[in-house]
Amino acid sequence: DVKVTQSSRYLVKRTGEKVFLECVQDMDHENMFWYRQDPGLGLRLIYFSYDVKMKEKGDIPEGYSVSREKKERFSLILESASTNQTSMYLCATITWGNEQYFGPGTRLTVT
Amino acid sequence: AQSVAQPEDQVNVAEGNPLTVKCTYSVSGNPYLFWYVQYPNRGLQFLLKYITGDNLVKGSYGFEAEFNKSQTSFHLKKPSALVSDSALYFCAVRDDPGNQFYFGTGTSLTVIP
Repeated sequence: DVKVTQSSRYLVKRTGEKVFLECVQDMDHENMFWYRQDPGLGLRLIYFSYDVKMKEKGDIPEGYSVSREKKERFSLILESASTNQTSMYLCATITWGNEQYFGPGTRLTVT
Repeated sequence: AQSVAQPEDQVNVAEGNPLTVKCTYSVSGNPYLFWYVQYPNRGLQFLLKYITGDNLVKGSYGFEAEFNKSQTSFHLKKPSALVSDSALYFCAVRDDPGNQFYFGTGTSLTVIP
């Protein structure tokens, strides 16, 4: 089975802090994704990466950056956290059959 | 622009009755269509997909979905609902040959004992 792990289930940060969310997959997949999930808005794509050191902006990249130095690891960075970035963050990878596999999510609260 | 619509925020159904969760889509190329389920405090789990072939696709936990090209719909169905089916359901589309997935806003399904 594909396994996608995220570094934290719950995180509380203060406004202005730099926040790192890490995601690791164990299946050597090339494509990885970061989404945020908000009630009534569904999942919105922040960034995705199709290879090491490659990244593409999704629909809501503002205030976020990403890093992919190794194939199995895709990091989401909030340069200066703000209260409107309080959300559930989901990482995903994708199989050759186009099936996305998601991590358990990180619920981030910015106070 | 690609998009997915789930017109119902909430669906309630009695245990043992058939259930339907609706999804319509808009995509420029050939659609790759997906259903995912999210149980409380969990990540999303893949349920089923339509890529090509038969319009009726079967997936996990007894769910199925019907691709209707003329109506641009991909409704999720199950003949007999279980209380354990209560969860949040997301429809998603991927444009072909693009790379991005587009998700609907989700439908909360409650199966009443």
